[in-house]
Amino acid sequence: DIQLTQSPSTLSASIGDRVTITCRASQSISNLLAWYQQKPGKAPKLLIYKASTLESGVPSRFSGSGSGADFTLTISSLQPDDFATYYCQEHNDYSMWTFGQGTKVEIK
Amino acid sequence: QVQLQESGPGLVKPSETLSLTCSVSGDSITNNYWNWIRQPAGKGLEWIGRIHFSGIANHNTSLTTRLIMSVDTSKNQFSLKLTSVTAADTAVYYCARDSGVEVRGVVFDFWGQGTPVIVSS
Repeated sequence: DIQLTQSPSTLSASIGDRVTITCRASQSISNLLAWYQQKPGKAPKLLIYKASTLESGVPSRFSGSGSGADFTLTISSLQPDDFATYYCQEHNDYSMWTFGQGTKVEIK
Repeated sequence: QVQLQESGPGLVKPSETLSLTCSVSGDSITNNYWNWIRQPAGKGLEWIGRIHFSGIANHNTSLTTRLIMSVDTSKNQFSLKLTSVTAADTAVYYCARDSGVEVRGVVFDFWGQGTPVIVSS
C-alpha cells in the first residue's frame, strides 16, 4: 500500500501569508494526488486533483504542484476561511486509496 | 446538485454488525462509484471501500474480511455492513462519490455530512 506523509502536522500563519504544505508518497504516484480541505464538524471538500487541477469553484489562491513522490499545496494569500485541516490523497492505485495524516492550519 | 445522506444506528454493541445506508439525490446510483470513508474523533481519514452498481467493489485490505457493501438501484442507495465491530470502529462514517478512474481518477467530489457511530456496550 502507498503511504503518504504530510508536513508539517500543524502550521501557524497570519492572514495574507503564503502557506505551503507538503505531501510525500512512499513510491512514485505520477501526478495522481488530490488535496482536500476539512473544517471542524464538516465533510472534506475536494480542492485539487491530478496534483494541480483546481476543482470547479475553488478559489485561485489555492494551487498544487509536484509529480513522482513529492507534492505541495500552496495558498498564495491566506484568508480567514482557509483555517482548516488539509489532507492529501493518492489516486494512483487501482484497488485502494489512502490519505495523508493531515495538516492543521491555525491562526498565528 | 448531488447530495448524499448517511443513515443508521449511532450506537452498536461490540461484536455486532454496523449497518449504514447512503441515500443519493441529484445523480443516478448507476452513473458513478460510491465509497465509504471514516474518521475517528480527532484523527485522519480512512478509506473503507468502494462499489459500483455492476458489482465491482474494492475494499481496504485491513477490513476485507468484515466488510459487505451493496447497491439498491430501486432506491438510489448504497449500503455498508461491517461485522464483528470493536471500539476501534468508533468513528464518523462518510459516504462519498467518485467518477471513476477513467474520468479523473478516484477522487471524492461529493460527500455526505457524516454520521457518528459509537461501538460500546
